[in-house]
Parts: sequence; C-alpha cells; structure tokens
Amino acid sequence: SQELEQSPQSLIVQEGKNLTINCTSSKTLYGLYWYKQKYGEGLIFLMMLQKGGEEKSHEKITAKLDEKKQQSSLHITASQPSHAGIYLCGVEVTYKYIFGTGTRLKVLA
Amino acid sequence: DAGVTQSPTHLIKTRGQQVTLRCSPKSGHDTVSWYQQALGQGPQFIFQYYEEEERQRGNFPDRFSGHQFPNYSSELNVNALLLGDSALYLCASSSYRSEAFFGQGTRLTVV
Repeated sequence: SQELEQSPQSLIVQEGKNLTINCTSSKTLYGLYWYKQKYGEGLIFLMMLQKGGEEKSHEKITAKLDEKKQQSSLHITASQPSHAGIYLCGVEVTYKYIFGTGTRLKVLA
Repeated sequence: DAGVTQSPTHLIKTRGQQVTLRCSPKSGHDTVSWYQQALGQGPQFIFQYYEEEERQRGNFPDRFSGHQFPNYSSELNVNALLLGDSALYLCASSSYRSEAFFGQGTRLTVV
C-alpha cells in the first residue's frame, strides 16, 4: 500500500521567515492534495497537484509536484501566525484518501 | 453554503457503550467518507458511502458501521466502544472528480 512521509514532523519559525515542508511517496505520484488543519479541527483544502512539474500558489503558499522524485513540496513565504497549524499531504487511492502524518507548524510573532 | 456539518462536536462515552455520529455533506455532493484521526496522526480511512451503499472500507473492525440516507447525509456507528476508539472523527464529502471537503469533526472520548 502507498505511504506518505512528511518532513519535518514539526517546525517552529519566526514570523516573516520562509519555510518548506516535504511529502515523499512510497509509490509513483499521479496527483497529490495539500490540506491544512487547525489543532483539533477539520481539514481545509489548500490545493491539488495533478501532474509532474505542476506548481500552484495560493496567497503566500506554493506547492510543487516532482513525480520523478515521488515528492511534493509546500513552501510558505514570509510566514504569519495565521499559517500555524498542521499541514497534511494526501493522495486519492480507490475512493479513499491516504494522508501523511502531518507537519506541525508554529509561527512565533 | 453550509459546507460539511458534523454533530455532535464533542462526546464522552463509557467503554462498552455505543455511539452514533452524524454528517451532512456539502450541497451538491453525493459521496460521504469517514476518517478516524488519533492524536498526532494523519486521518485514517474508515469507509465511504455512495448511493446509500458502502463502496470502500478501510482496516476497521465490524464494530464500525455506517449508513447513508437518500438525502446523502450519513451516520457512523461504533459499538462496544474501546478506550482506543478515542479520536477525532472526520466526515468528508465529495462528488465526481472533486476534492474532498471535510467537516469540523467530532471529538470522541471513551472513558
């Protein structure tokens, strides 16, 4: 079965700093989702990447899919306290989503 | 648009009891999936309902069962609760080729 590994597991950055979160798949990536979760709450859809080399941006968040490396990266520019939360990558496999264990981000004001 | 709504938001049950969680999908969505998220972990797929039938099931025991109604809303039932069932239960709705939209979750605590 497919597994997603995220790194780092947790991250603490000063407000205004840039950061990158990685998601590596054990199998070929045909598409990938990024979600954000506030602690103890539901998941908020950020973006979906459908093909290798694709790059999407939403406000100050940019995600890219590298299918050769079986990896996706999520980059936040000039982080803000509102970016704090848990970032989850996920793939859809036969009707279900498989998620990574998440990256916990804390942004210090 | 109300999005995906789940009820209740929090629940405390005793070991051995039974619980029912409810989910109303986002308008226009006909598919409902349920996930269990333990503390510090990513969500784990329980099952998916489409056209009132269970279409796909994850690695969860038969104590976990569900139902989908004609209006696409869904219930998750858990029997004979164990301490290990304590988790955040997430409902997600979707339609053909759309990303999944998640509810705020139900926090279940088993004591």
